[in-house]
Amino acid sequence: GDSVTQMEGPVTLSEEAFLTINCTYTATGYPSLFWYVQYPGEGLQLLLKATKADDKGSNKGFEATYRKETTSFHLEKGSVQVSDSAVYFCALSEKGNKLVFGAGTILRVKS
Amino acid sequence: NAGVMQNPRHLVRRRGQEARLRCSPMKGHSHVYWYRQLPEEGLKFMVYLQKENIIDESGMPKERFSAEFPKEGPSILRIQQVVRGDSAAYFCASSQVDSSQYEQYFGPGTRLTVT
Repeated sequence: GDSVTQMEGPVTLSEEAFLTINCTYTATGYPSLFWYVQYPGEGLQLLLKATKADDKGSNKGFEATYRKETTSFHLEKGSVQVSDSAVYFCALSEKGNKLVFGAGTILRVKS
Repeated sequence: NAGVMQNPRHLVRRRGQEARLRCSPMKGHSHVYWYRQLPEEGLKFMVYLQKENIIDESGMPKERFSAEFPKEGPSILRIQQVVRGDSAAYFCASSQVDSSQYEQYFGPGTRLTVT
């Protein structure tokens, strides 16, 4: 079945550092890919998405590119802020429309 | 435009009791999804419903769990005879049509604690 693997956390960075959170996937078809963010005690918010190969999703300084050849969708941000501290989930959606999530990566940004 | 609403936000039940979790989708959304998040794990799909229909329940445990989305009113996730292992955060999401084109919007979740 479909699955998503993302790097284990927690990831601890200083403010203004560069962020990369790796995400790879396994799918039988051609999925859409997503990054969701969860702040403490809250639900998930869609951060960005990409629906086909080589698409780049971007939002609030975060970016991720759909790489079909490496089945990856790594999340990057050039300069993190304390307010980016949260849990980040990579996910895919294929036929049937349900989302398949990775285990989540905790990001902690120190001032 | 109100977002996805879930209630209660926190629910405490003793073993053997029933838990009812409610989800009101965003206005104009007719598709509802339920996910469960166990402690320190990712979200796992449970069930996908449209009004009065269960479309995919492949993630639902075979026993004690049921879900509905009636013509009127919120979607309900019902857990009968709860056990400690049911303690988790339960999230509802809604979408406008199918989520291959439209993203799923999540509610704040219901945190169920079984004592």
